[in-house]
Amino acid sequence: GQQLNQSPQSMFIQEGEDVSMNCTSSSIFNTWLWYKQDPGEGPVLLIALYKAGELTSNGRLTAQFGITRKDSFLNISASIPSDVGIYFCAGYDKIIFGKGTRLHILP
Amino acid sequence: DTGVSQDPRHKITKRGQNVTFRCDPISEHNRLYWYRQTLGQGPEFLTYFQNEAQLEKSRLLSDRFSAERPKGSFSTLEIQRTEQGDSAMYLCASTYSGGASQTQYFGPGTRLLVL
Repeated sequence: GQQLNQSPQSMFIQEGEDVSMNCTSSSIFNTWLWYKQDPGEGPVLLIALYKAGELTSNGRLTAQFGITRKDSFLNISASIPSDVGIYFCAGYDKIIFGKGTRLHILP
Repeated sequence: DTGVSQDPRHKITKRGQNVTFRCDPISEHNRLYWYRQTLGQGPEFLTYFQNEAQLEKSRLLSDRFSAERPKGSFSTLEIQRTEQGDSAMYLCASTYSGGASQTQYFGPGTRLLVL
């Protein structure tokens, strides 16, 4: 079946560093979404990508939809403590989630 | 409208009991989805409704699970004869299917613990 592979599974970074994570699949998706989830809460949408090659920014976040429609990356610039959490990519049409990238920020 | 809401936020039950969760979607959204999320995993699709019609059910949705959306607004998810393996976060999401964007917006989830 369809699967999304997220990497890395976990990251430990210093506050102020830039972060990069990605998501790949063997299947083509028409839409890619990036969500952030805090403990005990539902996922919150960060960025939605609808077109192959699309590059979209939301504040310190930047995400790109791969040309092949089989991958996407998310970058976070100048990380701050509130960026801590789990980041999920999700692909449409039938929505499939990756297993997440856990971001930890060291003081 | 403040977004998708779910009730209760937490539920502890004994094995064998029935539980029911409620989801209130964003008011203009015609599609409503249920997901299950276990520790260390992403959300897994269970079922979705377009208005009051249940259009798809995952193989994860065993016979003990039933979902309804009787008036095309709020939805309920019932689990009968709960098992310890049902312990998970149950998430609801909604979207409007008629537009270009099919972005789903999630509620805060109901965390179920079966003892």
